[in-house]
Amino acid sequence: GAVVSQHPSWVICKSGTSVKIECRSLDFQATTMFWYRQFPKQSLMLMATSNEGSKATYEQGVEKDKFLINHASLTLSTLTVTSAHPEDSSFYICSARPFSGISPDTQYFGPGTRLTVL
Amino acid sequence: QKEVEQDPGPLSVPEGAIVSLNCTYSNSAFQYFMWYRQYSRKGPELLMYTYSSGNKEDGRFTAQVDKSSKYISLFIRDSQPSDSATYLCAPKRGRDDKIIFGKGTRLHILP
Repeated sequence: GAVVSQHPSWVICKSGTSVKIECRSLDFQATTMFWYRQFPKQSLMLMATSNEGSKATYEQGVEKDKFLINHASLTLSTLTVTSAHPEDSSFYICSARPFSGISPDTQYFGPGTRLTVL
Repeated sequence: QKEVEQDPGPLSVPEGAIVSLNCTYSNSAFQYFMWYRQYSRKGPELLMYTYSSGNKEDGRFTAQVDKSSKYISLFIRDSQPSDSATYLCAPKRGRDDKIIFGKGTRLHILP
């Protein structure tokens, strides 16, 4: 149980284009989903927290107009990187916190999406 | 002072050895303590989860939390090459608070 998927697993795009990454909780409902970014040999940095049906809360220094988050349902959240630039190249990971049932105090992480902007 | 500190390693130990991974933190408000394992280019996987001080054992893994000294440990017994990964210490204050990740310790188990 507690499986979170991400799609795509990797993507290469040209500078200036937009990229959408999907995060799905496959076998549980998630009231809250989180988006992280991880640079090589660095820790996970929280970008934003999203709750189903409401606007995402962004961490300080994260541009909300550049990283658009939509939490459309209790099992799906999307991150769109708009007008991507090479410095946006990174490993993007989502996580989901269960609504109820299995341990509500933890988050379950997706496998990550590697974004390369040329 | 960073909220969560871990020695980045790499830590190399022979197969079968007991591994000790450690983490210190500065925020006394942390109540939940998690350890995640992350293989290269993969998402983190929850290993252990403890609440407040004490020990918790799960198979070959034991997590210890000492809130008085703000010190967290993860022990791995009978280490296997498949345990080679980065281990992330991850505390948080309350159920609805964000997790604060350490940079992780890279572990290599030598066959």
